Amino acid sequence: EAGVAQSPRYKIIEKRQSVAFWCNPISGHATLYWYQQILGQGPKLLIQFQNNGVVDDSQLPKDRFSAERLKGVDSTLKIQPAKLEDSAVYLCASSQTGNQPQHFGDGTRLSIL
Amino acid sequence: GDSVTQMEGPVTLSEEAFLTINCTYTATGYPSLFWYVQYPGEGLQLLLKATKADDKGSNKGFEATYRKETTSFHLEKGSVQVSDSAVYFCALTPLDDYKLSFGAGTTVTVRA
Repeated sequence: EAGVAQSPRYKIIEKRQSVAFWCNPISGHATLYWYQQILGQGPKLLIQFQNNGVVDDSQLPKDRFSAERLKGVDSTLKIQPAKLEDSAVYLCASSQTGNQPQHFGDGTRLSIL
Repeated sequence: GDSVTQMEGPVTLSEEAFLTINCTYTATGYPSLFWYVQYPGEGLQLLLKATKADDKGSNKGFEATYRKETTSFHLEKGSVQVSDSAVYFCALTPLDDYKLSFGAGTTVTVRA
């Protein structure tokens, strides 16, 4: 079975620019998650989707971060404008349902100059 | 709120040495407990899990036992290999919830 696909693998931008990440979950997985992993820390959940609806976005900085999951499959996470503290690895994960094990993609490493 | 505390790294070992990574948690009720592993340049992979007290999770020679009395889920491996070099994360999900809460991670380096 194909895993969770993310792109790009690496992104370097200057502060105040915008950036977008893409995630394609495992086929048939209804639940999709975006995590932020700052260097030296564990991943922190940003947003969870169930199909194309948001279940939890309580830790998403909504003034600059946005995410969507049109048609309940692929998802994009956007940051606009980026700040230095947004430098991190952004991980996408998916699961069959909300209480099943999560499968992670390889992540996108974002560096803000 | 629920949280996980794991031993700080980095940990450096020789091949065939015994590995222990301590993990303790704070949660109400009976959470599910997990160990995830992150190899260099890759995403997180579920290594093992336990869903109730006294359960033992095991995989790839790694083991961890859910200890309710000490609120712990320590990871152990009897003889490590160079290929075990990775970052290991302890995590939990609360009872009847999906949210994974991760520890800060422990970097393990195994030298030949």
